[in-house]
Amino acid sequence: DTAVSQTPKYLVTQMGNDKSIKCEQNLGHDTMYWYKQDSKKFLKIMFSYNNKELIINETVPNRFSPKSPDKAHLNLHINSLELGDSAVYFCASSPLTGSGTEAFFGQGTRLTVV
Amino acid sequence: GNSVTQMEGPVTLSEEAFLTINCTYTATGYPSLFWYVQYPGEGLQLLLKATKADDKGSNKGFEATYRKETTSFHLEKGSVQVSDSAVYFCALNTPRKLIFGQGTELSVKP
Repeated sequence: DTAVSQTPKYLVTQMGNDKSIKCEQNLGHDTMYWYKQDSKKFLKIMFSYNNKELIINETVPNRFSPKSPDKAHLNLHINSLELGDSAVYFCASSPLTGSGTEAFFGQGTRLTVV
Repeated sequence: GNSVTQMEGPVTLSEEAFLTINCTYTATGYPSLFWYVQYPGEGLQLLLKATKADDKGSNKGFEATYRKETTSFHLEKGSVQVSDSAVYFCALNTPRKLIFGQGTELSVKP
């Protein structure tokens, strides 16, 4: 009964490869996010989707492409991986943008590019 | 613009010590404020929240009060345990996203 689930939990890949991270939420939320956490634990939003529509794209390189097939899923595809893409990527969801309610986070995907 | 600033870590305390982690924010309007906790190897969990000025959020012995006059939301706990060792994030809610502080790592020694 996991609320926000991401797969895989760990991903090790070589530079130049293309990889995807999947995210699903079973909370019925309208909004989903991708956050990137760097090695210093700093969290930065990458994308936000509301009912399958992109509403935030925070100057992320266009090698990163989110896809939301329905409002319960938000996947992240990364092309031509670079060493600097190594980080922990968190998916999150919330009921409504702008409300006082919190976001619920997945367990994270630790991406290591070698 | 909107931003959150937390005290730098790491913070190391002995068990049963008093904890304060400072958080100040800059925001337009009246955001909701949150503290999230990240235990090692895990995702973020909401610890507590406050949605308007003078609200006090509390959970698991932690407390924080939304102070509009000082634009602060400091996290406190009267007696920390080893199990409280984690990274703590202060955050505010804008109309489009959560903005996080840089995180404060807490280590509690027995």
